[in-house]
Amino acid sequence: GAVVSQHPSRVICKSGTSVKIECRSLDFQATTMFWYRQFPKQSLMLMATSNEGSKATYEQGVEKDKFLINHASLTLSTLTVTSAHPEDSSFYICSASWGRDEQYFGPGTRLTVT
Amino acid sequence: SQQGEEDPQALSIQEGENATMNCSYKTSINNLQWYRQNSGRGLVHLILIRSNEREKHSGRLRVTLDTSKKSSSLLITASRAADTASYFCATDPANQGGKLIFGQGTELSVKP
Repeated sequence: GAVVSQHPSRVICKSGTSVKIECRSLDFQATTMFWYRQFPKQSLMLMATSNEGSKATYEQGVEKDKFLINHASLTLSTLTVTSAHPEDSSFYICSASWGRDEQYFGPGTRLTVT
Repeated sequence: SQQGEEDPQALSIQEGENATMNCSYKTSINNLQWYRQNSGRGLVHLILIRSNEREKHSGRLRVTLDTSKKSSSLLITASRAADTASYFCATDPANQGGKLIFGQGTELSVKP
């Protein structure tokens, strides 16, 4: 099956700093990538949809200036959490698709903001 | 916004028993998918059922879809301790560009 990687797998940062998370499709070209957030013991919440070469579409309640998404190529999307706060600590998961039914999920990035 | 409701929230069974999880949703869908997640790990895609399908099998998994009731069920037969995980349904709403809306999940514990 298609493989999606995320980097880093874990990151700890200080409050007020920014963190960049990468999502790569390793063996296919992803026209669309999705970013989700998952708090402990909860489900995945879609944050935004990212199409290559265009601006991301954010879900209601997600601050686009805080969660910057860039989908510059068909194999890479990045999520930057700007001015991170402890409440941003979460598990961030990306997925990628190329227009078919299935999305392929990355292994997730655990962000801890101290 | 989440549109999937799952029940039960938690299920504890003995190895060898069957496990059934239910999912309900609110809007028209293109398909419904089931995923598994081990604690703190990524998602594993289990099965996809399209809106024009009613039942699908994959190994020990059986999924049903009732679009008139906007509900789906996942049955795991002859469960194993290794099936212990959280299970999520996710809907691909019609005309939403392929994004997935996840249910709240069922935490399954299979005791050896």
